Amino acid sequence: EAQVTQNPRYLITVTGKKLTVTCSQNMNHEYMSWYRQDPGLGLRQIYYSMNVEVTDKGDVPEGYKVSRKEKRNFPLILESPSPNQTSLYFCASSALGAGVHNEQFFGPGTRLTVL
Amino acid sequence: EDKVVQSPLSLVVHEGDTVTLNCSYEVTNFRSLLWYKQEKKAPTFLFMLTSSGIEKKSGRLSSILDKKELFSILNITATQTGDSAVYLCALSGGSNYKLTFGKGTLLTVNP
Repeated sequence: EAQVTQNPRYLITVTGKKLTVTCSQNMNHEYMSWYRQDPGLGLRQIYYSMNVEVTDKGDVPEGYKVSRKEKRNFPLILESPSPNQTSLYFCASSALGAGVHNEQFFGPGTRLTVL
Repeated sequence: EDKVVQSPLSLVVHEGDTVTLNCSYEVTNFRSLLWYKQEKKAPTFLFMLTSSGIEKKSGRLSSILDKKELFSILNITATQTGDSAVYLCALSGGSNYKLTFGKGTLLTVNP
């Protein structure tokens, strides 16, 4: 089954404790992306990756890191989480064809609370 | 900077009504515009509109893109309670492959 998986689905942590949210897709997609979703602010892109070893900042990259060492995986790293990073996080992937975004498949989401 | 504005922010209708959701945008180099539906979980894809595909239809849902006036609309006819969701518009453009989402339209369909 074609899917994007994220782990963990729920996480409560404390300020400053490094954490990683994993994301994996099994569709051989080139493009992968992380978003955060906050009430009243909608979905905002954090980082995206066009392919292995190619990453770029989205609209809200501060406080986050990513890596793309393998095509299927795109982990999101919070080196020193702060309460303003409490949010619902989505990973997504899509094929890139003819210079356009095709359908983005979203993971189930990770609800992160930073105390 | 790319910009996506959706209107209205929320809408309440009765079953059977027809609704039109709006998405206006500003972008330097248009690539594609995508519509998603989000219920109480992850967004699911509805349509992608590009320069070569400015009108899409699937059942009771349809969408058009007006590249000259820089907007897109999503039409839902004969609405059902299952259409209740947040509808998101996303834009791909510029010199990179960022995706910019609008804040969404919350549609509530009452029986």
